Amino acid sequence: GAVVSQHPSRVICKSGTSVKIECRSLDFQATTMFWYRQFPKQSLMLMATSNEGSKATYEQGVEKDKFLINHASLTLSTLTVTSAHPEDSSFYICSANRALTTSTGELFFGEGSRLTVL
Amino acid sequence: SQKIEQNSEALNIQEGKTATLTCNYTNYSPAYLQWYRQDPGRGPVFLLLIRENEKEKRKERLKVTFDTTLKQSLFHITASQPADSATYLCALDINTGRRALTFGSGTRLQVQP
Repeated sequence: GAVVSQHPSRVICKSGTSVKIECRSLDFQATTMFWYRQFPKQSLMLMATSNEGSKATYEQGVEKDKFLINHASLTLSTLTVTSAHPEDSSFYICSANRALTTSTGELFFGEGSRLTVL
Repeated sequence: SQKIEQNSEALNIQEGKTATLTCNYTNYSPAYLQWYRQDPGRGPVFLLLIRENEKEKRKERLKVTFDTTLKQSLFHITASQPADSATYLCALDINTGRRALTFGSGTRLQVQP
């Protein structure tokens, strides 16, 4: 299957600082990537859809100025949590699917990034 | 409101038995439904996709059924093994064309040796 790599896998930061998480598709081009957030024992919640070369589409209730998404190439999307606070501590997971012509809809997920804000 | 429901209680079964997990949804008419496996601290891994015109799909020890009238999918693992212990998530694309999936809350399966 396709490989999506996410980095870092764990990050601890102080309140007020910014943290950047990278998501790369290693063996295919992804015009669209999705960022999810997962709290303990809860399901994945879609935060935003990252579109290569254009602005991300955010879900209702997700602050676009707090969660900055950049999709500068067909293989890389980044999520920056700005001015992080303890309530931003969570498991962030990116995903991608292949180009429309080859995909049957399944998503390939990164390994996830555990963010802890002190 | 739109919902995807999975049994939040953990399912404990004995090794060798068949595990059956349920996914119910309301207010959707999905073109397909997907099942994923998630291990603790890891991203989900795709298992199976079943389309609305398919009643059943199989892959090795896995079987998925899809009843669009009942708005329900059943996920079966036959001859279960301790290595099958994980959380299983069902997912739907509720915004046709955007290709983002909405996930159920998942059911944790524990297979006892």
